[in-house]
Amino acid sequence: TQLLEQSPQFLSIQEGENLTVYCNSSSVFSSLQWYRQEPGEGPVLLVTVVTGGEVKKLKRLTFQFGDARKDSSLHITAAQPGDTGLYLCAGLTLSGAGSYQLTFGKGTKLSVIP
Amino acid sequence: ETGVTQTPRHLVMGMTNKKSLKCEQHLGHNAMYWYKQSAKKPLELMFVYNFKEQTENNSVPSRFSPECPNSSHLFLHLHTLQPEDSALYLCASSQEGTGSWGYTFGSGTRLTVV
Repeated sequence: TQLLEQSPQFLSIQEGENLTVYCNSSSVFSSLQWYRQEPGEGPVLLVTVVTGGEVKKLKRLTFQFGDARKDSSLHITAAQPGDTGLYLCAGLTLSGAGSYQLTFGKGTKLSVIP
Repeated sequence: ETGVTQTPRHLVMGMTNKKSLKCEQHLGHNAMYWYKQSAKKPLELMFVYNFKEQTENNSVPSRFSPECPNSSHLFLHLHTLQPEDSALYLCASSQEGTGSWGYTFGSGTRLTVV
């Protein structure tokens, strides 16, 4: 069973601050995805990273995939209240039954205070 | 309608009841999934369907019974549930085979077993 550890579990910061959340595993993934989930809603895909060392930017969000494809980080610059939510990382692997499976971490709950 | 639609949004049921959750995707995807989201736990994969065929059943108790009549619809039939089955049940779809796709989630059904 692949285990994805996310840290920190909770993060409360002031508007305008920068932050980084981490996603670590001992397993290698075909790709790694980041989602954001707001209360009462399903997770929404932010980005997929595939290549070791890959960096992707989405406005103020920067995602990096580790060289060994076992870990990832999400950096947010100048956080805004709209960034508040649960950030989930998820790793994609091929299961023994031959289908792809997405394994999720527990998430980082981010609160950005105005 | 677009995306992934789940009904009902909220459900309260007794332990002796039988109910069904419904999921419909309008994205032309060929894979559909049921996930369970409980407090303080990662999203847990329950079932996977590819081209209407069930390819994964992650040791889910038989009181949960999935049904996939076509590639656009997915049901989760519930009977004689336990209070610990109370959770957010999320349906997702994806286009398998590309290796770097994302999942599209519905808004979930918040289930409470009393």
